[in-house]
Amino acid sequence: EVQLVESGGGLVQPGRSLRLSCSSSGFNFGDHAMNWVRQAPGKGLEWVGFIRTKASGETTSYAASVRGRFTISRDDSKGIAYLQMDSLKTEDTAVYFCNRWTGGASFGAYWGQGTLATVSS
Amino acid sequence: DIQMTQSPSTLSASVGDRVTITCRASQSINNGVAWYQQKPGKAPKLLIYGASSLESGVPSRFSGSGSGTEFTLTISGLQPDDFARYYCQQYYSQNTFGQGTRLEI
Repeated sequence: EVQLVESGGGLVQPGRSLRLSCSSSGFNFGDHAMNWVRQAPGKGLEWVGFIRTKASGETTSYAASVRGRFTISRDDSKGIAYLQMDSLKTEDTAVYFCNRWTGGASFGAYWGQGTLATVSS
Repeated sequence: DIQMTQSPSTLSASVGDRVTITCRASQSINNGVAWYQQKPGKAPKLLIYGASSLESGVPSRFSGSGSGTEFTLTISGLQPDDFARYYCQQYYSQNTFGQGTRLEI
């Protein structure tokens, strides 16, 4: 059974950093690109970014709202994707979800349950 | 960046009704659209991909259509479990989600 579990959320002050993890099981993690998507309280879904597979150069792409502040990486040996969030702003407060690409397309049939990151002084 | 304009933002309906939600892309995205259902406190659930392909296990009352810039999600014969929020997503170039539609009784 495919499972994704996010962790690492919590309360952090503006300007500080936080690293989220997305742990996988039930499939060959190295064969799949991964997305990060967030949802601010009471708001809609916002794509954050993705990382392709090692075979595709582990290339990344980011939404304009986080580009230059957030970095996505992966450790295929552990089956984990990471979202490093630097220079955090109050507007980055959200539940962060990871999901797995389906084949070569970046829609997600498998999602984690999400982890809440709160940026507040 | 490609924008996705979803309408309506809220839709009131009754059990048994047929409803349609629309997404319009700011440029042609072929059939690179997925639709999701989300319930409070839960992750989104994939319903439709490739604009019209039904995800495995999703009831056949859900259907999708469109190509280019106009896309629709139709639910025929609403069930009580269908009252939720729905999102479109384009994955033709990076990703963009529509603003969401709240389907309420």
